[in-house]
Amino acid sequence: EPEVTQTPSHQVTQMGQEVILRCVPISNHLYFYWYRQILGQKVEFLVSFYNNEISEKSEIFDDQFSVERPDGSNFTLKIRSTKLEDSAMYFCASSADRNYGYTFGSGTRLTVV
Amino acid sequence: GEDVEQSLFLSVREGDSSVINCTYTDSSSTYLYWYKQEPGAGLQLLTYIFSNMDMKQDQRLTVLLNKKDKHLSLRIADTQTGDSAIYFCAEKAPDSSYKLIFGSGTRLLVRP
Repeated sequence: EPEVTQTPSHQVTQMGQEVILRCVPISNHLYFYWYRQILGQKVEFLVSFYNNEISEKSEIFDDQFSVERPDGSNFTLKIRSTKLEDSAMYFCASSADRNYGYTFGSGTRLTVV
Repeated sequence: GEDVEQSLFLSVREGDSSVINCTYTDSSSTYLYWYKQEPGAGLQLLTYIFSNMDMKQDQRLTVLLNKKDKHLSLRIADTQTGDSAIYFCAEKAPDSSYKLIFGSGTRLLVRP
């Protein structure tokens, strides 16, 4: 079964550093997403991406965050200057259609120290 | 605002049926989903239901939707130890084309 692949599975970074989280969505999918889950909290929507641009973003997704699909296969989330409160599990997802459910990756656990 | 609530924990004996419940606040939700998360894995889509349906069955899984009460349930028949996981209810945000709103997840423990 096709999978969404995320790397790395765990990343530790110092506060103020930039991090890039990487994802390889399912190849024929057109819609791409990032969600995060802070420990003990709900899974929260960050951003959706379609047709090479952001289609929707949440209040969490401020100027410190950016997404890119640099080469037609990878989909990245960049956090420019990490804060302690950015520590969370970040999930990438993709879908062929907006409605029928996404396929999620296994997540990257980001720890900011 | 939009909110999705679930009970946190359910324990059942192997072979019994499990029923995981979920309530949501926005009656204009169009799609509702159940996801499963096993340890160390991502969120696996189990099934979804469109708001004009009352019930959907897929092998051992039965989804019931009560729109009047804004209540969604997932029934797993003949629960197996491999069904032990966290189950998330999610709704398509009514004011969004893309966003899902998740519940906190219900941890299902299946006892042998």
